[in-house]
Amino acid sequence: GAVVSQHPSWVICKSGTSVKIECRSLDFQATTMFWYRQFPKQSLMLMATSNEGSKATYEQGVEKDKFLINHASLTLSTLTVTSAHPEDSSFYICSARDPYLAGERNEQFFGPGTRLTVL
Amino acid sequence: AQSVAQPEDQVNVAEGNPLTVKCTYSVSGNPYLFWYVQYPNRGLQFLLKYITGDNLVKGSYGFEAEFNKSQTSFHLKKPSALVSDSALYFCAVRVFTGGGNKLTFGTGTQLKVEL
Repeated sequence: GAVVSQHPSWVICKSGTSVKIECRSLDFQATTMFWYRQFPKQSLMLMATSNEGSKATYEQGVEKDKFLINHASLTLSTLTVTSAHPEDSSFYICSARDPYLAGERNEQFFGPGTRLTVL
Repeated sequence: AQSVAQPEDQVNVAEGNPLTVKCTYSVSGNPYLFWYVQYPNRGLQFLLKYITGDNLVKGSYGFEAEFNKSQTSFHLKKPSALVSDSALYFCAVRVFTGGGNKLTFGTGTQLKVEL
């Protein structure tokens, strides 16, 4: 099946620094990628949707200048948390969709997540 | 607004017993419904989906879900639970927007299967 990877799987950083998280589709071309944020024991909250080659669409309440998303190729999207603060600590999950595969069993293929801890 | 609700934060089941994880939905038009499972510190794994056709949908790992239009429900079921089924389960609905479509998730139900 389609595989999505994330790197790093976990990261610890100091307050005020920026952190980049990568999301890759390994065996398919992802025209659309999604970034979610999940707090402990809570649901996934969609942060933004990115389409390859265009600007990301952010959900209401998500600061686009703080959470920079780049989807420069069909297999890679990056989320950069700029000037991170402790309240940004969370589990970040990406997912990818290929419209040619979406007609099969699945709609989105999820990455394993990245645990961000800001000290 | 389109949404899904999972009324139970946690469900406890003895191994070998049947399990049910509840989900109700609110959508305009025909619903596209999904179940995902999440193990600790992992991403989501697809279990099954309903788009059209038979109301009983069979998925991975022996799970199935029954779509009930009159009750607007999509409960996840398994005839005989395993300890390894213990995980966090999410119901989701596909939402169509002007910018495309996206998944909206329920709050999740923690399933605990005990010996």
